[in-house]
Amino acid sequence: NAGVMQNPRHLVRRRGQEARLRCSPMKGHSHVYWYRQLPEEGLKFMVYLQKENIIDESGMPKERFSAEFPKEGPSILRIQQVVRGDSAAYFCASSSTRVTDTQYFGPGTRLTVL
Amino acid sequence: KQEVTQIPAALSVPEGENLVLNCSFTDSAIYNLQWFRQDPGKGLTSLLLIQSSQREQTSGRLNASLDKSSGRSTLYIAASQPGDSATYLCAVDSGGGADGLTFGKGTHLIIQP
Repeated sequence: NAGVMQNPRHLVRRRGQEARLRCSPMKGHSHVYWYRQLPEEGLKFMVYLQKENIIDESGMPKERFSAEFPKEGPSILRIQQVVRGDSAAYFCASSSTRVTDTQYFGPGTRLTVL
Repeated sequence: KQEVTQIPAALSVPEGENLVLNCSFTDSAIYNLQWFRQDPGKGLTSLLLIQSSQREQTSGRLNASLDKSSGRSTLYIAASQPGDSATYLCAVDSGGGADGLTFGKGTHLIIQP
């Protein structure tokens, strides 16, 4: 049973380009969470999704960031017109239920904006 | 707004010692608390999850306790080994309208051989 998969593991973008980060949850998991870890900072919650629905995006910046979890395929975190401050590690987690289950984390995507 | 604090920020001890990592949180209305391990450049590995109704959980040399009323948790590591060197993160699930975990900044642990 494969764990949470994220790709790419490393992504380099120039300022103004778009970044697309992908997350495939564990088999049987329908809840996906995205977190961001800035240098020297703790992990911060960004968005929580179930299949085809955004449940909570209270941690997502209002502009340039969007997330989706389509019926088929991985969850996508999209960052438009990236800036240097977007450089961070982005982690995806999945769980089988919402309330009491463990969240299993992927290896992360390290985004570097030049 | 839930805030999680971990003390100490860094810790270096000789191999074989028992040690305690501390975590405190400001809002006691939580569903559960998790301890994670993060190795440099890697993802997070869940170590222990304590439900709000539980007082402690054990896995091998690790024991985590939870005192919800005082907003505290400790992670006890027995007979530490160099392979335990990592950053240990505490995270609480407050549920309700905030569906993500709230993390502390972690304790960077070094076990000296």
